[in-house]
Amino acid sequence: QKEVEQNSGPLSVPEGAIASLNCTYSDRGSQSFFWYRQYSGKSPELIMFIYSNGDKEDGRFTAQLNKASQYVSLLIRDSQPSDSATYLCAVNRGGGGADGLTFGKGTHLIIQP
Amino acid sequence: EAQVTQNPRYLITVTGKKLTVTCSQNMNHEYMSWYRQDPGLGLRQIYYSMNVEVTDKGDVPEGYKVSRKEKRNFPLILESPSPNQTSLYFCASRRTGGGVVYGYTFGSGTRLTVV
Repeated sequence: QKEVEQNSGPLSVPEGAIASLNCTYSDRGSQSFFWYRQYSGKSPELIMFIYSNGDKEDGRFTAQLNKASQYVSLLIRDSQPSDSATYLCAVNRGGGGADGLTFGKGTHLIIQP
Repeated sequence: EAQVTQNPRYLITVTGKKLTVTCSQNMNHEYMSWYRQDPGLGLRQIYYSMNVEVTDKGDVPEGYKVSRKEKRNFPLILESPSPNQTSLYFCASRRTGGGVVYGYTFGSGTRLTVV
């Protein structure tokens, strides 16, 4: 069973600080990694994806991938109250011809004004 | 506007009464998928489709059926709903190209209650 693990939180961060969210995955064959943001009662929204080891930056967001350690992280700089949401880490399940995403259970992030 | 549209948004039904949740995307995506989301269990894949007439089971397919007769539509069918299928359901689609696995775009969700 392929697994994606996240700390459920809540993670509380002061406004303007850096929020750091972490995720580990079990399948060494995983190739594609995604971060989704989900507000309560809403659908998941893709905010970052990463395929290669290292960092990928997009505005205030940076995704980091370390395949050797099977570790993915998301950094949110200059955190805003509107960033308060649940962040879902997801891994593509493409091995064996399958498709779709395996999700972690999410980290609840709270940005304190 | 590029989107995945699900209907209905909310549905209350009784045990055993067949129902269909529709899903349509206007982005010409090959890949489509259904997920359910439950407290404490997160998002779990029910079925997926890689193209017209190509579907396969995800992690929790029991009690569900799907079909993909047209590229844009991927309905989820519950032949005999039971209370344990009470959940928040999401349809999603993604594009392909250049060997890259792109992320899924999700619909707005369908909150189903089976009594």
